[in-house]
Amino acid sequence: DVKVTQSSRYLVKRTGEKVFLECVQDMDHENMFWYRQDPGLGLRLIYFSYDVKMKEKGDIPEGYSVSREKKERFSLILESASTNQTSMYLCASSLGLRGLQPQHFGDGTRLSIL
Amino acid sequence: DQQVKQNSPSLSVQEGRISILNCDYTNSMFDYFLWYKKYPAEGPTFLISISSIKDKNEDGRFTVFLNKSAKHLSLHIVPSQPGDSAVYFCAASGDTGGFKTIFGAGTRLFVKA
Repeated sequence: DVKVTQSSRYLVKRTGEKVFLECVQDMDHENMFWYRQDPGLGLRLIYFSYDVKMKEKGDIPEGYSVSREKKERFSLILESASTNQTSMYLCASSLGLRGLQPQHFGDGTRLSIL
Repeated sequence: DQQVKQNSPSLSVQEGRISILNCDYTNSMFDYFLWYKKYPAEGPTFLISISSIKDKNEDGRFTVFLNKSAKHLSLHIVPSQPGDSAVYFCAASGDTGGFKTIFGAGTRLFVKA
């Protein structure tokens, strides 16, 4: 069974801090994703990666960056946290990008920026 | 501009009855459609999918119907059970557009015992 693990369930940070959210998957998946989930907006893609050291912008990349140094680990970085980045962050992985390959999600990190 | 729309934020159904969750999309290039289920404090989990070459896919109590001409799909749950109470996300993707999956806003289903 695929396991996607996010390092923190809850995180509270201050405005202007640099914030790291970590995600690890154990199924040797090529693709990894970072989403944020907000009420009424569903899941919005921030960044994704289809290979080590490769990254692609999603729909809302502003204020975020990512790092994928190893296949199993995908990090989301908030360069200078702002209150509008308070949200639920979800990491996912998938075997393929095409077609009906489902994504496997972690349990999320609820991030509050004060 | 929401390419995938779930217009009902919530739905309440009696146990044993049918639940019908709807999803509309605007991008005719979408070829693949998936439904995910999310319980509180957990990540979404894949439920069922359909490709655009089919109009129906069934898995146990769950059936997804696709109407390409109307750009509409629906998820039927029969019979509904209290354990089905969750948020359901519709998602769509295609072979173009960078392979991104677009999610709807979700519908919260309440199944009353």
